[in-house]
Amino acid sequence: GAVVSQHPSRVICKSGTSVKIECRSLDFQATTMFWYRQFPKQSLMLMATSNEGSKATYEQGVEKDKFLINHASLTLSTLTVTSAHPEDSSFYICSARSGGLEEKLFFGSGTQLSVL
Amino acid sequence: AQTVTQSQPEMSVQEAETVTLSCTYDTSESDYYLFWYKQPPSRQMILVIRQEAYKQQNATENRFSVNFQKAAKSFSLKISDSQLGDAAMYFCAYASGSRLTFGEGTQLTVNP
Repeated sequence: GAVVSQHPSRVICKSGTSVKIECRSLDFQATTMFWYRQFPKQSLMLMATSNEGSKATYEQGVEKDKFLINHASLTLSTLTVTSAHPEDSSFYICSARSGGLEEKLFFGSGTQLSVL
Repeated sequence: AQTVTQSQPEMSVQEAETVTLSCTYDTSESDYYLFWYKQPPSRQMILVIRQEAYKQQNATENRFSVNFQKAAKSFSLKISDSQLGDAAMYFCAYASGSRLTFGEGTQLTVNP
């Protein structure tokens, strides 16, 4: 089946630094990718929708200058958390949409970000 | 805006028994999809079952089945012959287009 690879799985960084998370669709082209944030024991909250070759669409309350999203190719989207602070510590998950007759969504395995 | 509500934060079931997880949603659209996702401790999101709103027949996948009541905007998940590996957080989700809205989740415990 289709696979979405997300890296890194875990990252620890110092406050004020930037962190990049990659999301790759391995065996299909993803025109649309989604980025979610999940706090412990809570649901997934959509942060932004990423379309290949165009600017990402951010959900209300998500700072686009802090969470930079780049979808430069049909198989890769990146989320960069700029000037990270401890409150940005969270679990980040991407998902990719496969097109075709039976459109499906596939999830990456997530990235646990810890900001010290 | 669409909302998804799961009123059971936690549920438990005995191994080999049946359990039903509840989900309600609110939407003004007529064409949409509903999903149940499972998130085990690994936190990998796993699709359990999917239902197209235009289909009246309830979806089934082996031991998993849904009771889809479109007029009531209800979408419950029934797990039959529960297994220890079914223990996880279960999320109900609504999709119009590709945008998913998740419920708060139900933590399912399976007792041996």
